[in-house]
Amino acid sequence: AQSVTQLDSQVPVFEEAPVELRCNYSSSVSVYLFWYVQYPNQGLQLLLKYLSGSTLVKGINGFEAEFNKSQTSFHLRKPSVHISDTAEYFCAVTTYSGAGSYQLTFGKGTKLSVIP
Amino acid sequence: NAGVTQTPKFRVLKTGQSMTLLCAQDMNHEYMYWYRQDPGMGLRLIHYSVGEGTTAKGEVPDGYNVSRLKKQNFLLGLESAAPSQTSVYFCASRQGGPSGANVLTFGAGSRLTVL
Repeated sequence: AQSVTQLDSQVPVFEEAPVELRCNYSSSVSVYLFWYVQYPNQGLQLLLKYLSGSTLVKGINGFEAEFNKSQTSFHLRKPSVHISDTAEYFCAVTTYSGAGSYQLTFGKGTKLSVIP
Repeated sequence: NAGVTQTPKFRVLKTGQSMTLLCAQDMNHEYMYWYRQDPGMGLRLIHYSVGEGTTAKGEVPDGYNVSRLKKQNFLLGLESAAPSQTSVYFCASRQGGPSGANVLTFGAGSRLTVL
């Protein structure tokens, strides 16, 4: 079964500092990769996605992620965080599970706290 | 453009009571999902639907039932609520077709407490 591991459950970082949120997945087959963000008391919304092509993908709010097939990773980065980036971030992976169906698996989330 | 709307937003139940959560989407999406979110557990899929009149079990279906009588609505029912069902429930939808590339649109969540 597919699994998604977010290595850090909580990441505190000072405002204007860089941040990296780590995500690893277990599949050896072709995948689609996503990062979703959940602001306090809200639903999840898409931050960015990797479907194919360039391994560096850019998302909203200055975030970017790099797909590394050999390391089965899809780490999320931002060079300078803002207070408004305080949220929980979820990595998600879709794999083909046969018979025309796809399986979407979420990681357990990483809570990013930006300190003034 | 409302997107995905969940009602109610908050509910407190006593053990053994029943209730229904309603999810409505106005994007003509084929696929709809119910997830539960618990601290440290991420999102876990309860049930999903690939079209009107169809439903299927997800990762944690026990204690829940669903119905998709209309394309725009996906109902999640608890017949006899238990404290273990205290959680935040999220509905999501996406465009149709067996594609893993489509993005989910989420509702704002429904916080359920079972005493």
